[in-house]
Amino acid sequence: AQSVAQPEDQVNVAEGNPLTVKCTYSVSGNPYLFWYVQYPNRGLQFLLKYITGDNLVKGSYGFEAEFNKSQTSFHLKKPSALVSDSALYFCAVRDERTGNNRKLIWGLGTSLAVNP
Amino acid sequence: KAGVTQTPRYLIKTRGQQVTLSCSPISGHRSVSWYQQTPGQGLQFLFEYFSETQRNKGNFPGRFSGRQFSNSRSEMNVSTLELGDSALYLCASSKTSGDTNTGELFFGEGSRLTVL
Repeated sequence: AQSVAQPEDQVNVAEGNPLTVKCTYSVSGNPYLFWYVQYPNRGLQFLLKYITGDNLVKGSYGFEAEFNKSQTSFHLKKPSALVSDSALYFCAVRDERTGNNRKLIWGLGTSLAVNP
Repeated sequence: KAGVTQTPRYLIKTRGQQVTLSCSPISGHRSVSWYQQTPGQGLQFLFEYFSETQRNKGNFPGRFSGRQFSNSRSEMNVSTLELGDSALYLCASSKTSGDTNTGELFFGEGSRLTVL
């Protein structure tokens, strides 16, 4: 089955500390993986993606994500969190099943709160 | 370059009414996808249109419908509204669809529907 899981509903971190938002996936074939962020009362914004190549992907706003094939994970990381990073984060994987037109399958989201 | 524009941003309806939401994609983008976002269910895929054709459909009842015009603008309609239809409806556009879909979607800020 094609799926993506974000095991934590909420992550709390102090400003200046490193942050990690977790994502695991299950797909057939090679995964196309994505992270999006949603600030309050806004639409989603693309952060980064992994399609192939280096396992460490760098994206917008200082975020990066590490693709780990053996653990089927794609965790989002940032070395030093900012209060302005507080938002809802979504992990997604492209659906490779025939007939599903490669649409994205979304996790339920993780709310990140960065405390001053 | 203008982003994805959704109208109206907020609306209140009563049970049994119908509603039409509009989405104007980024210029040059031919794919438009619609999502329903609720706190408990996360992002639920409604449907995707590409070049005026519905390419994919989620698991929503027939009360939810959509269409796309020749200029790529899209509308979605919900008939016989129910309380459970209260949600943020997000539209996303991209240049391509299907196998060439790289997964990078551009979202509008959404239309927040409240059904009383």
